[in-house]
Amino acid sequence: DQQVKQNSPSLSVQEGRISILNCDYTNSMFDYFLWYKKYPAEGPTFLISISSIKDKNEDGRFTVFLNKSAKHLSLHIVPSQPGDSAVYFCAGSMGNTGKLIFGQGTTLQVKP
Amino acid sequence: NAGVTQTPKFQVLKTGQSMTLQCAQDMNHNSMYWYRQDPGMGLRLIYYSASEGTTDKGEVPNGYNVSRLNKREFSLRLESAAPSQTSVYFCASSVYRGTDTQYFGPGTRLTVL
Repeated sequence: DQQVKQNSPSLSVQEGRISILNCDYTNSMFDYFLWYKKYPAEGPTFLISISSIKDKNEDGRFTVFLNKSAKHLSLHIVPSQPGDSAVYFCAGSMGNTGKLIFGQGTTLQVKP
Repeated sequence: NAGVTQTPKFQVLKTGQSMTLQCAQDMNHNSMYWYRQDPGMGLRLIYYSASEGTTDKGEVPNGYNVSRLNKREFSLRLESAAPSQTSVYFCASSVYRGTDTQYFGPGTRLTVL
């Protein structure tokens, strides 16, 4: 039972354009959602999060949108830069359990 | 300030061998976690320790044991390694469990032949 799904394994965009990474979830108990970025041979690093009571959170070039009725969230990167090329994981967090449930990841390639 | 460190970086085991993966954090975090990452599966939680002296099972605990040695260190032990345990293992820590950001180590790539 995949509670968090990233249905696009890969995405390629041109430098300067918008990157949109999508994530769907099934568990209504998630109260926080997080995006992590991972470079090869490194551990994931935190990028941005959103509470389930919000519908948007913005941090510089990164914006996360949450649509609770559709159980869908998306990460927008504007403008995209070659250094953004990495694997992006979305994750749901359940209350104070500390457990993160991750999606499969989407590999983003930003072409110069 | 090294953050989260993991040893070893790489390891090859034969089926049935045992080993311990070490993890340490210097951020004075209370909670620590072990994940495994497999192709197409994302990261899956093996065990976590909400605070010193406590450990709990995650999504995929079978075949593993953990020890929260002190506030800084959290080890993962494979008693009898199996090829299905070939994976990349990540340790993470956070101030407290819940919504606090988790900080990850660089990972240990384990191959079981």
